[in-house]
Amino acid sequence: SYELTQPPSVSVSPGQTASITCSGDKLGDKYACWYQQKPGQSPVLVIYEDSKRPSGIPERFSGSNSGNTATLTISGTQAMDEADYYCQAWDSSTPGFGGGTKLTVL
Amino acid sequence: EVQLVESGGGLVKPGGSLRLSCAASGFTFSSYRMNWVRQAPGKGLEWVSSISSTSSYIYYADSVKGRFTISRDNAKNSLYLQMNSLRAEDTAVYYCARDLGGTSWFDHWGQGTLVTVSS
Repeated sequence: SYELTQPPSVSVSPGQTASITCSGDKLGDKYACWYQQKPGQSPVLVIYEDSKRPSGIPERFSGSNSGNTATLTISGTQAMDEADYYCQAWDSSTPGFGGGTKLTVL
Repeated sequence: EVQLVESGGGLVKPGGSLRLSCAASGFTFSSYRMNWVRQAPGKGLEWVSSISSTSSYIYYADSVKGRFTISRDNAKNSLYLQMNSLRAEDTAVYYCARDLGGTSWFDHWGQGTLVTVSS
């Protein structure tokens, strides 16, 4: 299966910018998407097709993808953004997920 | 409103079987590829299986191939996962999720159902 690598944890101060990376072989040639998961809840799509936001997702969430790395950026991070974030991409008809990054807002 | 509701989870002994169901509503079920994704306690997301809108294309993760069977009934707006020869490492919350096929994204997820494999 397609392997995607994320840092286990990222910390950010309220109001600052958080960046979460996702690395995979030639990931830039594929579409990456991102999910947010809060404790006890199901995952929620926050970015699809590298940089598009679903309806209802705040503008502070953005994404990019180039080379071997996709990046989720949260500008003006709020306490409510504290959660686990997972990247995902398709390869050979099967999807792979990154291991997840715990974002701490402190 | 799109809704995906899983059921069928529970406690089962190693080597046992369980059948999960996912009831869909609020959208045209037959137009979407459907998936099962699981999450072991305290761990990350793991894709389990996918089935195309007409059941023509089915894929499994290596970890479940030969033991799990995915199926769907478009007339009943339902997705299923038959799990046989269960192992302790299959213990997880199982989510159903929809996508439009190709390299699209999982835009809606169910609330999940917990499967515990233990003696």
